[in-house]
Amino acid sequence: GDSVTQMEGPVTLSEEAFLTINCTYTATGYPSLFWYVQYPGEGLQLLLKATKADDKGSNKGFEATYRKETTSFHLEKGSVQVSDSAVYFCALSEVQDFNKFYFGSGTKLNVKP
Amino acid sequence: DAGVIQSPRHEVTEMGQEVTLRCKPISGHNSLFWYRQTMMRGLELLIYFNNNVPIDDSGMPEDRFSAKMPNASFSTLKIQPSEPRDSAVYFCASRTGSTDTQYFGPGTRLTVL
Repeated sequence: GDSVTQMEGPVTLSEEAFLTINCTYTATGYPSLFWYVQYPGEGLQLLLKATKADDKGSNKGFEATYRKETTSFHLEKGSVQVSDSAVYFCALSEVQDFNKFYFGSGTKLNVKP
Repeated sequence: DAGVIQSPRHEVTEMGQEVTLRCKPISGHNSLFWYRQTMMRGLELLIYFNNNVPIDDSGMPEDRFSAKMPNASFSTLKIQPSEPRDSAVYFCASRTGSTDTQYFGPGTRLTVL
């Protein structure tokens, strides 16, 4: 079945460091791919998405590129801030059924000043 | 526009009591999802509705859990009787029929003593 695997955390970085959170997926066909962010005490918020191969999703300085050949959707940011501290979830939805949504286990990011 | 609204935000109850969690989806969204988040199991889909009709409840852990959606703007998740292992954060999410993006509420943190 479809699934998402993302790197385990926590990831601890200093402010202005480069961020990469790895995400790989297994799916039949060409799913849509998402990154959601969860700030402490809050619900999940959509950060960015990509719907087809080679698409790049971007938002708030974060980027992720849909790589079909490596089945990956790694999240990157060039310079993190303390306010980026949160849990990041990679997810996919099946192309045949939007209701089938698969989340990764989440990666906690801690950014130190 | 208001986002997904959940109530209460926090619930503390004693084992054996009935618990009712409430959700108001975003206006115009016709799919609604209930998730449970725990440290051990991450995000789990419990049940989802399309046009107020339950489509897949295979994630509901046991008969103590039930969910209803009497109209397009309201859903409930009920646990009766509650047990300490039900302690978790419960999220409601909604989406329109034309997109695969789900929008999450802030969650209800349930503690069963």
